Amino acid sequence: GAVVSQHPSWVICKSGTSVKIECRSLDFQATTMFWYRQFPKQSLMLMATSNEGSKATYEQGVEKDKFLINHASLTLSTLTVTSAHPEDSSFYICSAGDTSYEQYFGPGTRLTVT
Amino acid sequence: GEDVEQSLFLSVREGDSSVINCTYTDSSSTYLYWYKQEPGAGLQLLTYIFSNMDMKQDQRLTVLLNKKDKHLSLRIADTQTGDSAIYFCAEKEDTGRRALTFGSGTRLQVQP
Repeated sequence: GAVVSQHPSWVICKSGTSVKIECRSLDFQATTMFWYRQFPKQSLMLMATSNEGSKATYEQGVEKDKFLINHASLTLSTLTVTSAHPEDSSFYICSAGDTSYEQYFGPGTRLTVT
Repeated sequence: GEDVEQSLFLSVREGDSSVINCTYTDSSSTYLYWYKQEPGAGLQLLTYIFSNMDMKQDQRLTVLLNKKDKHLSLRIADTQTGDSAIYFCAEKEDTGRRALTFGSGTRLQVQP
């Protein structure tokens, strides 16, 4: 299957700083990528849909000014958590697919804000 | 809106079969998926099934779909300790490139 990578795999940052997470499709092009958030022992919740060359579409309740998404190329989407706070600590996972029905997930990025 | 539900926990003995169940509410669901997540890791796509199929088998995995009852199941034959993980079912409508809606996940514990 297709491969999706994320970087970094884990990050610890201080409250008030910003953190950028990268999501790459390694062997296919993705015009659309998705960003999810997963709290411990919970399911994945969709945060936003990242569209190449246009603005991201955010889910209700997700602050677009806090979670900046940039889909600059067909293989890269970035999520920047701005002015991070401890409540932003979570597991962030991206996904992409090379067909309309297959979705492959990255390995996730664990963010801890101290 | 869409809703996908799963039981939270299943415990089986090594060598037995495991059956993980999932129900969904969206009648327009076209694609249904099973993902496996090990601790601290991302999601591994195990298998998927189109809504016009009743069953799909892939080695030890068998997926059954009852579209009338909106019920999806994943059967793992000869369950091994390495199968211990959280299993998520997910659904998607065939309306362009949309995200998946996930169930709450079922934690499978395989006892030796």
